[in-house]
Amino acid sequence: QQPVQSPQAVILREGEDAVINCSSSKALYSVHWYRQKHGEAPVFLMILLKGGEQKGHEKISASFNEKKQQSSLYLTASQLSYSGTYFCGTERTGGGSNYKLTFGKGTLLTVNP
Amino acid sequence: NAGVTQTPKFQVLKTGQSMTLQCAQDMNHEYMSWYRQDPGMGLRLIHYSVGAGITDQGEVPNGYNVSRSTTEDFPLRLLSAAPSQTSVYFCASSKMTSGILRRSYNEQFFGPGTRLTVL
Repeated sequence: QQPVQSPQAVILREGEDAVINCSSSKALYSVHWYRQKHGEAPVFLMILLKGGEQKGHEKISASFNEKKQQSSLYLTASQLSYSGTYFCGTERTGGGSNYKLTFGKGTLLTVNP
Repeated sequence: NAGVTQTPKFQVLKTGQSMTLQCAQDMNHEYMSWYRQDPGMGLRLIHYSVGAGITDQGEVPNGYNVSRSTTEDFPLRLLSAAPSQTSVYFCASSKMTSGILRRSYNEQFFGPGTRLTVL
């Protein structure tokens, strides 16, 4: 089942902060975050695993609430290069769901000068 | 390293034709996957593999076949193309590691994509 992302779109000025949320109705093992610029392939940002382990870039921060099956991506002091569509992907626990990533529909982030 | 490569970049098919989308990676990654991306739908997993000889279905496998005879290559076959398969197809690969709870895959490296149109 596809995770729900919010907001669908957000417009910022350079230097402003943004939070993108990802919510699932199923128990999750991991949450993955990717950014995609128009006409390009998705690029990895962060993985958050059940149990607290995180893998990702130093300048990006995210949280994973295992009890609520929710994750948030925090973008601080936004730069023009942050513009793009952000996708969260969720991996469910067990039931043959290992290694299957289900992506949300994306959040379009636009950063203006 | 070339990373993940996909061929062709663009393809136009007629309904009923078959073809193979090629994907190769030179990073010795165990995990490989195929996604399709349609406007407003995000990325949807078609098939994936956790190693040579091991493949499994994703979210939308109907109409597609895969095989993994080597670590490097993971081709996607369209058996009988339909207009509903018009999409952008991405191949991705990832190293697998042992996690706290179980084995997991990591950062996925995506290929540049193949834009497929079925008339």
